[in-house]
Amino acid sequence: GAVVSQHPSWVICKSGTSVKIECRSLDFQATTMFWYRQFPKQSLMLMATSNEGSKATYEQGVEKDKFLINHASLTLSTLTVTSAHPEDSSFYICSARDRRIGYEQYFGPGTRLTVT
Amino acid sequence: AQSVTQLDSQVPVFEEAPVELRCNYSSSVSVYLFWYVQYPNQGLQLLLKYLSGSTLVKGINGFEAEFNKSQTSFHLRKPSVHISDTAEYFCAVSESGTYKYIFGTGTRLKVLA
Repeated sequence: GAVVSQHPSWVICKSGTSVKIECRSLDFQATTMFWYRQFPKQSLMLMATSNEGSKATYEQGVEKDKFLINHASLTLSTLTVTSAHPEDSSFYICSARDRRIGYEQYFGPGTRLTVT
Repeated sequence: AQSVTQLDSQVPVFEEAPVELRCNYSSSVSVYLFWYVQYPNQGLQLLLKYLSGSTLVKGINGFEAEFNKSQTSFHLRKPSVHISDTAEYFCAVSESGTYKYIFGTGTRLKVLA
């Protein structure tokens, strides 16, 4: 149980275009989902917290107009990188919290974004 | 402010030797503690967690960790490592009352034959 999927697993896009990444909880309802960014050989940095049916809460320094987050249902959150630039190239990981369990987050496999 | 420190960025160890990966945190409230492993180009896999109760926590793959409140530490140990344990290990802390995790900078464990 407690499986989180991400799609796509990797994506290459041209500079200036937008790309959407999906995060799904497959066998549980996720009240809260989190989006992280990880640069090569570095730790995970929390970008935003997404609650179902409400606006996402962004961490300091994260541009909310650039990284659009939508949490439309209890099993799906999306991250859209708008007008992508090469510096947005990174590994994006989502996680989800099972509202029945509490504090543990379940992580997706990550999405590798390369902007050319 | 809450923070997590993993002092060792890399730890080389020979196969079948014991290993300890250190994690210290700072927080003024109760915390929940986690260790995750990450293999190249993959997401995070939970090794073990401390929420409450016994301070010695056993996890998967033979790993264990001990919560030391006075030392504000949660060091990860394994008595005998395998080549397959080569990976990046992250310590994470979540303060009681919030669901956010703060991750340490990670420790790259390299097991040598």
